Amino acid sequence: DTAVSQTPKYLVTQMGNDKSIKCEQNLGHDTMYWYKQDSKKFLKIMFSYNNKELIINETVPNRFSPKSPDKAHLNLHINSLELGDSAVYFCASSHYWTSGKVDTQYFGPGTRLTVL
Amino acid sequence: RKEVEQDPGPFNVPEGATVAFNCTYSNSASQSFFWYRQDCRKEPKLLMSVYSSGNEDGRFTAQLNRASQYISLLIRDSKLSDSATYLCAVNGDRDDKIIFGKGTRLHILP
Repeated sequence: DTAVSQTPKYLVTQMGNDKSIKCEQNLGHDTMYWYKQDSKKFLKIMFSYNNKELIINETVPNRFSPKSPDKAHLNLHINSLELGDSAVYFCASSHYWTSGKVDTQYFGPGTRLTVL
Repeated sequence: RKEVEQDPGPFNVPEGATVAFNCTYSNSASQSFFWYRQDCRKEPKLLMSVYSSGNEDGRFTAQLNRASQYISLLIRDSKLSDSATYLCAVNGDRDDKIIFGKGTRLHILP
């Protein structure tokens, strides 16, 4: 049983195109995240949703727009793709934090985006 | 000081040896600490959470030093299968956000 799944696994596209990545979790978590891991392997948070509400929105170009139709799904739409957007995008989920502590995050397999 | 810092390595260690990594963090109010493992072209997976009193899971021991603001991971009797990148993660400037270090690459040599 896949806990956190993402589609597609690979995405190769031309500069200027618009693309979407989808994420689903069946762990019953209430919080989902998007991370970007660049070529230097630095894993950086982009967005976080708790019960469909955006709670973390890092300094990310507004070409990136997340959407959470329900707490088991979090999608990422990217407009006008640029070369610098090439990276691996990981979705993750967890229970929400309580008492100042963050719960373990479970990651999807990643979407490897290549912009040509 | 960066929020979370790790020695990138690589650490090249013979099989059976003991290896230790440290990870420093800048936010003295951080309360959540983790070690994740990431294999090549795979997603990060939780290796272990780090508790205040330190904790052990088989060959792996994690420690927290609040005074000096670092966490450590000790791997004993290293196996070839331990070769991976080890990421530390700490909650950062806000409680509900995890900051990952850039990872330490470990190569176990036969």
